[in-house]
Amino acid sequence: DTAVSQTPKYLVTQMGNDKSIKCEQNLGHDTMYWYKQDSKKFLKIMFSYNNKELIINETVPNRFSPKSPDKAHLNLHINSLELGDSAVYFCASSQEWEGQPQHFGDGTRLSIL
Amino acid sequence: QKEVEQDPGPLSVPEGAIVSLNCTYSNSAFQYFMWYRQYSRKGPELLMYTYSSGNKEDGRFTAQVDKSSKYISLFIRDSQPSDSATYLCATYGGSQGNLIFGKGTKLSVKP
Repeated sequence: DTAVSQTPKYLVTQMGNDKSIKCEQNLGHDTMYWYKQDSKKFLKIMFSYNNKELIINETVPNRFSPKSPDKAHLNLHINSLELGDSAVYFCASSQEWEGQPQHFGDGTRLSIL
Repeated sequence: QKEVEQDPGPLSVPEGAIVSLNCTYSNSAFQYFMWYRQYSRKGPELLMYTYSSGNKEDGRFTAQVDKSSKYISLFIRDSQPSDSATYLCATYGGSQGNLIFGKGTKLSVKP
């Protein structure tokens, strides 16, 4: 059973389009996250949701909007995609917000043409 | 100074060698430390989780935290080709208490 699953695994699209990435966790965790891993493999937090409430929003453009319909799901919607958005996006979850280990999905590879 | 610093390598060792991977961190208030392993085209996989100072062992892996020097280490004994991956250290910190990662060390274990 996959603990943290993301769809799609690959996403190739044109600049200017709007796209969504979905994430689901079956670990019963309270907190979910979105990370961006750039071409140099550096992982950086984008958003965190705790019990459906946004608790971290790093300096991410407002073209990116996280949506959590329930505590097992956290989706990422991206408007007006730009070339610089090409990266791997990872979803993660943890039991609580701070101090607990986070468990990651296998990523969504986004390529902007 | 970056909050978490990690030598990106790459590091190449023969099978059976002892591997030492290291990170330094900037803030003495950091208390939770993790090591992740990331295979190519996969997500980071939690290897070790430690709180405060001391050692933690799990099979061939030992995590060590030295809070006095703000230094964290991961040792891999009897390294195997299947250990070839990128290893990321991480700690909770930052301006909003989020998880901060090092840049990762790419390890290659040659048979």
